Amino acid sequence: AQTVTQSQPEMSVQEAETVTLSCTYDTSESNYYLFWYKQPPSRQMILVIRQEAYKQQNATENRFSVNFQKAAKSFSLKISDSQLGDTAMYFCAFKSMDSNYQLIWGAGTKLIIKP
Amino acid sequence: NAGVTQTPKFQVLKTGQSMTLQCAQDMNHEYMSWYRQDPGMGLRLIHYSVGAGITDQGEVPNGYNVSRSTTEDFPLRLLSAAPSQTSVYFCASSPSWDSGNTIYFGEGSWLTVV
Repeated sequence: AQTVTQSQPEMSVQEAETVTLSCTYDTSESNYYLFWYKQPPSRQMILVIRQEAYKQQNATENRFSVNFQKAAKSFSLKISDSQLGDTAMYFCAFKSMDSNYQLIWGAGTKLIIKP
Repeated sequence: NAGVTQTPKFQVLKTGQSMTLQCAQDMNHEYMSWYRQDPGMGLRLIHYSVGAGITDQGEVPNGYNVSRSTTEDFPLRLLSAAPSQTSVYFCASSPSWDSGNTIYFGEGSWLTVV
């Protein structure tokens, strides 16, 4: 069974700094998708970025980028020039291409951006 | 753009009561699902549907029923509420069964069972 591990329960950085959130996963499959979701205090889940495992190039979305290391089964999220609005819970999720449509979620990292 | 709409947003139930959480999406998505989120944990899948008339169980289906009579609606029914069902519930949808599609979430429903 696939598992997703986020080893940092909470992190805090100063505004404008760069922060990296860690995520590791375990799977025997070679084709899958990985996601980072943001959950602000409003509780709504918002997609931040996604990565297809068959793509070697790391995904980027404006200030958000990932470091995808397939052999190491690592999928970290880097947030550059952090902003107060980035304060939220961040969840890493795995989705097999052959799954029963289920996302496997990590426990989350609480990120606090300090002014 | 309404997206995924869940109602009610907050609900308090007594043990043994039944209720239905409503979920509707206006994006013509085939795939819909219900998750629950408990403190310190990621989301866990309760039930899902890949199209009208088709539903299946997820990781934690016990105590919940679903139906999918239309593409738009996917209600979640709690048959006899228990304190263990106190949680935040999220409805989600995506365009098709293809596992690479982005999943869109509703705003969540806070349920407390006393």
